[in-house]
Amino acid sequence: EAGVAQSPRYKIIEKRQSVAFWCNPISGHATLYWYQQILGQGPKLLIQFQNNGVVDDSQLPKDRFSAERLKGVDSTLKIQPAKLEDSAVYLCASSSTGTSPRFGPGTRLTVL
Amino acid sequence: AQSVTQLGSHVSVSEGALVLLRCNYSSSVPPYLFWYVQYPNQGLQLLLKYTSAATLVKGINGFEAEFKKSETSFHLTKPSAHMSDAAEYFCAVTEETGANNLFFGTGTRLTVIP
Repeated sequence: EAGVAQSPRYKIIEKRQSVAFWCNPISGHATLYWYQQILGQGPKLLIQFQNNGVVDDSQLPKDRFSAERLKGVDSTLKIQPAKLEDSAVYLCASSSTGTSPRFGPGTRLTVL
Repeated sequence: AQSVTQLGSHVSVSEGALVLLRCNYSSSVPPYLFWYVQYPNQGLQLLLKYTSAATLVKGINGFEAEFKKSETSFHLTKPSAHMSDAAEYFCAVTEETGANNLFFGTGTRLTVIP
């Protein structure tokens, strides 16, 4: 079984630039999550999708962050414009009913 | 609301010694509890989970954890540390209702000394 795929693995941008991350979940997993992991902290949920609908985006900074999962499969997370404090690892995870979330390798973002 | 507290951001043990990583949880409803491991530059891998069945849960790589409701704890143990156990370990909690949003602790970095 293929795992959760994420790209790119690393990204360096300057503040006020835009960036996008892509995630392809495990086949058949209806639930998809985006987590933000700041250095020295545990992952924090940004947004949770069930198929192509949003279940929870209460922690997503909506003035600069957006995410979509248009066809209920892969997903894109965008930051526009980026701030220094957005430097973090962005983790995508997926799950199906009754299973624990499986995580991808993450995208490490550095904002200069 | 759910939360977890991991005591000790860094733990060092000698190879072959007991590993004990502490996690205390707070939950207004019966919790599901998890331990994940993160190796450098990798995503999180599930070690084990508690879902209200047996209170002693066995996971991969020789790890186990015991759910103690009276102490609101879910500590992770391994009888004998191996060099390959060096990693960051995260405790997480979610609601028994099945909402899979995980609330993570701040992590414990385990160092194994040869």
